[in-house]
Amino acid sequence: GQQVMQIPQYQHVQEGEDFTTYCNSSTTLSNIQWYKQRPGGHPVFLIQLVKSGEVKKQKRLTFQFGEAKKNSSLHITATQTTDVGTYFCAGSNFGNEKLTFGTGTRLTIIP
Amino acid sequence: DADVTQTPRNRITKTGKRIMLECSQTKGHDRMYWYRQDPGLGLRLIYYSFDVKDINKGEISDGYSVSRQAQAKFSLSLESAIPNQTALYFCATSDYGDYGYTFGSGTRLTVV
Repeated sequence: GQQVMQIPQYQHVQEGEDFTTYCNSSTTLSNIQWYKQRPGGHPVFLIQLVKSGEVKKQKRLTFQFGEAKKNSSLHITATQTTDVGTYFCAGSNFGNEKLTFGTGTRLTIIP
Repeated sequence: DADVTQTPRNRITKTGKRIMLECSQTKGHDRMYWYRQDPGLGLRLIYYSFDVKDINKGEISDGYSVSRQAQAKFSLSLESAIPNQTALYFCATSDYGDYGYTFGSGTRLTVV
């Protein structure tokens, strides 16, 4: 079945440093979504990417979808303490609309 | 009120007991899902339903069953709970096209 892996599993950064998490799928995806889960909270939808090579920005967050639609990345510029949490990617295949979630990257900010 | 409500929020149960986790939504979405979260394993799909008459197994359905009582309600049952079913369980909903799932606040289940 489809597998979605994320690296790194954990990342500790100083406040103000940048952060990137990478997502890789074993199969070509029709779309990829990103979610953020705050400590003790539930996943919250951030964004969806659909097109090959697509890049979207939300303030300090930049999301990319690979040309082959098998990988994606989330980059946060100048991290803040509010960025703490676990970031998940999730993808679905053509004709199979349920999402498969990645293993997540847990971001910790050192003030 | 929350868009997706899960009850109970926390539950401790004994091995062998039957337990039901409930989920209700006010989003008006047809699609509902049950996921299990374990540290380091992300979110794994247990069951999903695309409408009231549709029930599908996910990747880890063994030991679980579900019931879609109405468009707004989707419950998850553990017929005979075992300790490795200790986890955080999330219900989620979506509209056609998978444009962003809305998650409930989760149920933390401990099986002793």
